[in-house]
Amino acid sequence: GAVVSQHPSWVICKSGTSVKIECRSLDFQATTMFWYRQFPKQSLMLMATSNEGSKATYEQGVEKDKFLINHASLTLSTLTVTSAHPEDSSFYICSARPGGEWETQYFGPGTRLLVL
Amino acid sequence: GQNIDQPTEMTATEGAIVQINCTYQTSGFNGLFWYQQHAGEAPTFLSYNVLDGLEEKGRFSSFLSRSKVYSYLLLKELQMKDSASYLCAVMDSNYQLIWGAGTKLIIKP
Repeated sequence: GAVVSQHPSWVICKSGTSVKIECRSLDFQATTMFWYRQFPKQSLMLMATSNEGSKATYEQGVEKDKFLINHASLTLSTLTVTSAHPEDSSFYICSARPGGEWETQYFGPGTRLLVL
Repeated sequence: GQNIDQPTEMTATEGAIVQINCTYQTSGFNGLFWYQQHAGEAPTFLSYNVLDGLEEKGRFSSFLSRSKVYSYLLLKELQMKDSASYLCAVMDSNYQLIWGAGTKLIIKP
């Protein structure tokens, strides 16, 4: 089956630093990738949708200058949390949609971010 | 606005059957999904319904009624490993997933 990886799986950083999270589709081309955030005991919240080669579309309330998304290739999208603060500590999950398969999303294993 | 409703928590006994309900209100409909999520892990796909009726997959079944904007996930022969959160999600007219808050299922011996 289709596999999506995320790296790193865990990251601890100091307040004010930037953190980059990678999302890769390993055995298919993902024309669209989604970035979600999940706080404890809450459901997934879509942060942004990125299409390869174009700018990401951010959900209302998500700061695009703080959460930089790059989808430079059909197999890689990155999320950079700039100037991270403790309130950014969360579980970040990406998903990838193969080209032409509108109903399909394959999820990565998630990245847990802790900002001290 | 768009909204997915499902119970917050349910408890069931090992070996029994449990039904988790989901009602939805979305802008358009391109299918309803059920995902399982264990604590600290990403969701894993369980089922997809786009037509009315029951989809059976082993111990898990999912039902959809578009006229009643309602779905349920049925888990049979419950095992301890089924303890997890079960997320209902609807794909709207923009092909985006609208997520419910999830139902935490607790299985007791």
